[in-house]
Amino acid sequence: KAGVTQTPRYLIKTRGQQVTLSCSPISGHRSVSWYQQTPGQGLQFLFEYFSETQRNKGNFPGRFSGRQFSNSRSEMNVSTLELGDSALYLCASSLGFQTGDYEQYFGPGTRLTVT
Amino acid sequence: QKEVEQDPGPLSVPEGAIVSLNCTYSNSAFQYFMWYRQYSRKGPELLMYTYSSGNKEDGRFTAQVDKSSKYISLFIRDSQPSDSATYLCAMSLIQGAQKLVFGQGTRLTINP
Repeated sequence: KAGVTQTPRYLIKTRGQQVTLSCSPISGHRSVSWYQQTPGQGLQFLFEYFSETQRNKGNFPGRFSGRQFSNSRSEMNVSTLELGDSALYLCASSLGFQTGDYEQYFGPGTRLTVT
Repeated sequence: QKEVEQDPGPLSVPEGAIVSLNCTYSNSAFQYFMWYRQYSRKGPELLMYTYSSGNKEDGRFTAQVDKSSKYISLFIRDSQPSDSATYLCAMSLIQGAQKLVFGQGTRLTINP
C-alpha cells in the first residue's frame, strides 16, 4: 500500500508570495493533518480535516489555511509569506475518529524556503 | 513551559547498548502516546502507539507510559547503527486525538 505523498518536495518562494502544498493520504484514510516543523519550535499542529471538514485547528495565523477534497486529498495554503514560514511542512493521514484509530502516518514533507 | 518536555541530546551510545529515551508532560488529560523516529530529511515514522498507561513491546522496542508520573519512555534493546535518528515523543487528548503535541526530539547516534 502506498504511503502518504506530498508535492512538491521543495519550494523556494519570496516574501509576500503565496504557496499551495498538496497531500495525498494513504488509500482508505479519511483524516489528514498538517504540521509545521522548524528547528526552533519543533513539530507544531496546523489543522486537521476529515470528510472535507476542518475538525481541529492549531495556533497559527489566518494566513495558513487548508481544505480537503472528496477523495481525501488535501491542500494547505500560506498567503503573504514571511521569512519565518520557512519550514518543513508535514502531512499525516489516519483512519480518523470514526474508527477510533488515531495512528498517524507522515509523508516525507515539503521543504519551503522563503527568501 | 512546554506541554511536552524531551531532552534534545545528543545521545551517543555503542552498538548493542540499551537505549532509554524519555518525555515528561504537564497535561494529565493526554491519553494517546506515540513514539516516532525521524531520519534526516525524512518524515517521522511511527514506531509505537499506546493508549493510557502500561507497557507495549514490539521487537527490540518497548514503550512505557506512567500516567501517575506524567512520564513516558522508549527502550531500544540491542541498538544498531541503523537506529541512529531523531526520536520524537507525541501525545494527544481523547477529544481532538488527531492533534498531536510533540516533544523537541532526541538525536540518537549508535556507534559501531
